[in-house]
Amino acid sequence: GAVVSQHPSRVICKSGTSVKIECRSLDFQATTMFWYRQFPKQSLMLMATSNEGSKATYEQGVEKDKFLINHASLTLSTLTVTSAHPEDSSFYICSATPPLTTNEKLFFGSGTQLSVL
Amino acid sequence: GENVEQHPSTLSVQEGDSAVIKCTYSDSASNYFPWYKQELGKRPQLIIDIRSNVGEKKDQRIAVTLNKTAKHFSLHITETQPEDSAVYFCAAKFNKFYFGSGTKLNVKP
Repeated sequence: GAVVSQHPSRVICKSGTSVKIECRSLDFQATTMFWYRQFPKQSLMLMATSNEGSKATYEQGVEKDKFLINHASLTLSTLTVTSAHPEDSSFYICSATPPLTTNEKLFFGSGTQLSVL
Repeated sequence: GENVEQHPSTLSVQEGDSAVIKCTYSDSASNYFPWYKQELGKRPQLIIDIRSNVGEKKDQRIAVTLNKTAKHFSLHITETQPEDSAVYFCAAKFNKFYFGSGTKLNVKP
């Protein structure tokens, strides 16, 4: 299957700092990538849709100035959590769909556990 | 938007028994229904999927059924094994993927 790589897998930062998470499609080009947030023992909550070469589309209630998304190439999307606070601590996971699958077959990155002290 | 509900939230079965997880969805336009397995701290992995023009699909010990009229779909795992223990998520998609709340399956040896 398609491979989606996500880094870092774990990050601990101080409150007020910014953290960047990278999501790469390793063996396919992804014009669209998705960013999810997952709280412990809960489901995946879609935060935003990252579109290559254009602005990301954010879900209702997600602060776009807080969670900056950049999709500068067909294989890389980044999520930057700006001025992180303890309530931003969570598991963040990206996903992408290979072409020729009619936008199905969602493949996930390995996730990033963010802990804000 | 779409609303996907999943039950039960936890399921404990004896090894060798069958496990059934059910999901309902609200948007009749949803046309693709995947199931994901997520082990602790790892990424969700697609285990089986079904499209709206199919009523049932089977892959070895795993099967999925879809009732479009009732807007519900189910995951069936037969002859469960301890390695089946994980959290399972259903999803429904039209333009976006909407996930159920997850079912923690525990298969007791």
